[in-house]
Amino acid sequence: QQQVKQSPQSLIVQKGGISIINCAYENTAFDYFPWYQQFPGKGPALLIAIRPDVSEKKEGRFTISFNKSAKQFSLHIMDSQPGDSATYFCAASNKGSGNTGKLIFGQGTTLQVKP
Amino acid sequence: DAGVIQSPRHEVTEMGQEVTLRCKPISGHDYLFWYRQTMMRGLELLIYFNNNVPIDDSGMPEDRFSAKMPNASFSTLKIQPSEPRDSAVYFCASSLVWGATNYEQYFGPGTRLTVT
Repeated sequence: QQQVKQSPQSLIVQKGGISIINCAYENTAFDYFPWYQQFPGKGPALLIAIRPDVSEKKEGRFTISFNKSAKQFSLHIMDSQPGDSATYFCAASNKGSGNTGKLIFGQGTTLQVKP
Repeated sequence: DAGVIQSPRHEVTEMGQEVTLRCKPISGHDYLFWYRQTMMRGLELLIYFNNNVPIDDSGMPEDRFSAKMPNASFSTLKIQPSEPRDSAVYFCASSLVWGATNYEQYFGPGTRLTVT
């Protein structure tokens, strides 16, 4: 119930293409869904986040699509660039559980954008 | 702000030795998290603290692992004795949750531990 399942494990996209990473969850109490981006040798950093009261959030080339009924959310990277090559983690949090801010992370997706 | 600070950045030690990893969270943050990252298991939460008090240590793999937070600006993760399977990158992260509407965690640069 606490798991967040992420796919695919790895992704190769041509420059200018669309990168799509999917996540699914079981716990309907989750109310915060961030995506983290990690470059080699660095710690993960928050990229974009969404709450379940909206179905989509866009920030520049990055968009989160959220489907509450299906308990799924996805990250879309438009016009993918070689600089986007990194590992991406989805995550979820349950504010109701004592408001701990504990994040449940997916397994990660390694994205390679070819020039 | 300097962000989350971790030391050392790299640690190479022999099996059986004690290893201590250090973390300084962002000033004013009330939560501190320790994670371990490996290729096989991804990003695993080991333990987290709230206002210096350990809240959940269910992710700590064995009794060989221990963590402390003696004050709001310092935490340690200790492995004694270390084993080759402990080789991983260990991240510390902090966040400000009280009154927040999101739970952004700020990660440090990590400590790459190699146990030979």
